[in-house]
Amino acid sequence: GEEVAQTPKHLVRGEGQKAKLYCAPIKGHSYVFWYQQVLKNEFKFLISFQNENVFDETGMPKERFSAKCLPNSPCSLEIQATKLEDSAVYFCASSHSLILAGNDQGGELFFGEGSRLTVL
Amino acid sequence: DAKTTQPPSMDCAEGRAANLPCNHSTISGNEYVYWYRQIHSQGPQYIIHGLKNNETNEMASLIITEDRKSSTLILPHATLRDTAVYYCIVRSPYNQGGKLIFGQGTELSVKP
Repeated sequence: GEEVAQTPKHLVRGEGQKAKLYCAPIKGHSYVFWYQQVLKNEFKFLISFQNENVFDETGMPKERFSAKCLPNSPCSLEIQATKLEDSAVYFCASSHSLILAGNDQGGELFFGEGSRLTVL
Repeated sequence: DAKTTQPPSMDCAEGRAANLPCNHSTISGNEYVYWYRQIHSQGPQYIIHGLKNNETNEMASLIITEDRKSSTLILPHATLRDTAVYYCIVRSPYNQGGKLIFGQGTELSVKP
């Protein structure tokens, strides 16, 4: 598609339940990034993929969080046993490449509209 | 950690130019300056990026100082719809996995 599609827009879970979020990147984009926004103006990088391979997972919490990007499927971010502090908006972004050269427009990230997770 | 410093908030009159400053004194040679904005709670929107030269597109202009330690994003004729948080980001395609590291941004309020 022409835009990053995230589902669901809103998700409510009780503490301890599982939450799963989905992201369909722009067609032809090789890179997918996940971010968590808990507070306004604070974005935390979680993980990125190059196609189906984990590219950078330095921001992923060690426990309860996992992510996948499988061929011919939307990427997913799963949180096992959610906690109150997981309440946030989760943004997915995709990029055609990471290589930047002058005015090359291929490196910017395009973000989806986010999935708001509320843990009660 | 974010490598940029921006004022937390700014006001601009509708129809006037909005000039948003950004300091990035530790920028290195292969790092680009990117600008994104987040309108309300929507996903961040790409505005413009540059390396050394000034850049202009349909949304904005980016002025980078000669020493590259600071830059200014210019919205030439601000409208109410430009009210948003604007993020100046220093990004390297070769380090840190090419990801964007967001700072606190500048909350721009465009007033009638």
